[in-house]
Amino acid sequence: DIVMTQSPDSLAVSLGERATIKCKSSQSVLSSSNNKNYLTWYQQKPGQPPKLLIYWASARESGVPDRFSGSGSGTDFTLTISSLQAEDVAVYYCHQCYTFPWTFGQGTKVEIK
Amino acid sequence: EVQLVESGGGLVQPGQSLRLSCTTSGFTFGEYAVHWVRQAPGKGLEWVGLIRNKVSDGTTEYAASAEGRFTISRDDSISIAYLQMNSLKTEDTAVYFCARGSYYYAYWGQGTLVTVSS
Repeated sequence: DIVMTQSPDSLAVSLGERATIKCKSSQSVLSSSNNKNYLTWYQQKPGQPPKLLIYWASARESGVPDRFSGSGSGTDFTLTISSLQAEDVAVYYCHQCYTFPWTFGQGTKVEIK
Repeated sequence: EVQLVESGGGLVQPGQSLRLSCTTSGFTFGEYAVHWVRQAPGKGLEWVGLIRNKVSDGTTEYAASAEGRFTISRDDSISIAYLQMNSLKTEDTAVYFCARGSYYYAYWGQGTLVTVSS
């Protein structure tokens, strides 16, 4: 199974500052056939289902604010919130959909400092 | 409006069975794969399995924790997907979400809580 490891487990960032979350996969999730990284980012707030933020590692879902961006390839990925807003307090998960069984990272909790 | 609504959760004893439903509307159900994802209380997300659309033969894939005990099925005529869970264990206690998508999930249900306890 592909193990997804996020870092840090939690972080506290001041309003307006940058938040950076890392996700490392134990195997590459880059497809050589279509050059796509099968890596997705979700945001989850308490009592709610996850919300899709980023797919194919860097494609922003429609309606997601442009302060959210994804980058990386192969085994190393980053979710960046360029200017943290109060409504961004949540747990963020990376997810690989390259190889079964699909797997999630353990989650990163983002709070306001 | 795309909607997915899970139902069928509840309290069951270890070893018992439960069938969850994912009732959908607002899109052509038969064109999409449906996934089940669960979340134990206070824990992270765990992918449970998926059922592909009929064009892709409606085949299924499962996590190791679900293989042999859980079965995902679908009824395209009424736009519902099911998760049949047998031989339930205490560690299956979780909120179970269904989600629509092939490789990423733009639409999720609100989840249904399954509690396995004696």
